Amino acid sequence: QSVLTQPPSVSGAPRQRVTISCTGSSSNIGAGYDVHWYQQLPGTAPTLLIYANDKRPSGVPDRFSGSKSGTSASLTITGLRAEDEANYYCQSFDSSLSGPYVIFGGGTKLTVL
Amino acid sequence: QITLRESGPKMVKPTETLTLTCTFSGFSLSSSGVGVVWIRQPPEKALEWLALIYWNDDKLYSPSLKTRLTITKDTSKNQVVLTMTNMDPVDTATYYCARWAHLNYFDPWGQGTPVTVSS
Repeated sequence: QSVLTQPPSVSGAPRQRVTISCTGSSSNIGAGYDVHWYQQLPGTAPTLLIYANDKRPSGVPDRFSGSKSGTSASLTITGLRAEDEANYYCQSFDSSLSGPYVIFGGGTKLTVL
Repeated sequence: QITLRESGPKMVKPTETLTLTCTFSGFSLSSSGVGVVWIRQPPEKALEWLALIYWNDDKLYSPSLKTRLTITKDTSKNQVVLTMTNMDPVDTATYYCARWAHLNYFDPWGQGTPVTVSS
């Protein structure tokens, strides 16, 4: 069971908007650690999609955006396209007694209908 | 251009020790603010962080696996090595290495190397 909680799946039609949540706690997201998002297309390695909560690496379309509030973060994709169908993972740090350590969400499979 | 490539055995037997090498280019682990991380992904499952080594040789390990993991670096060869002892079939996964960036994200990633644990 992942420390960061994501919905297992989301779906949307082309050109629609979807949001993927990432829920943590006071020892990770709520402690001020940044949240980062990765996209994993089928059969490939993950790639960085959003870093430091809301920043896009060069080359990532502005259809992808991120936000963070309290103990949660969100990834929003607008203008859905077929090529967005992938698994999406959030990542942060945790500072519990055994930490600090890296944590990932359980991943969300996005289906474009 | 920064690249990373994982290498190691494709299959190991239960109880054996796995040794994986991450060979990278485009950055140096002797430079301040640089690190390399290992992450794995069992088939059809989520990403799981394993270990992280920083330029100054500080190391972080997954709390659930730390007794089995050792991460080291060879700055002269631009390599990071991960060893995992007492392998079990549940350790079957694709193992990735990636560059750690100072804001605690990982970019870019290697293509991954699949490892199967079976007798």
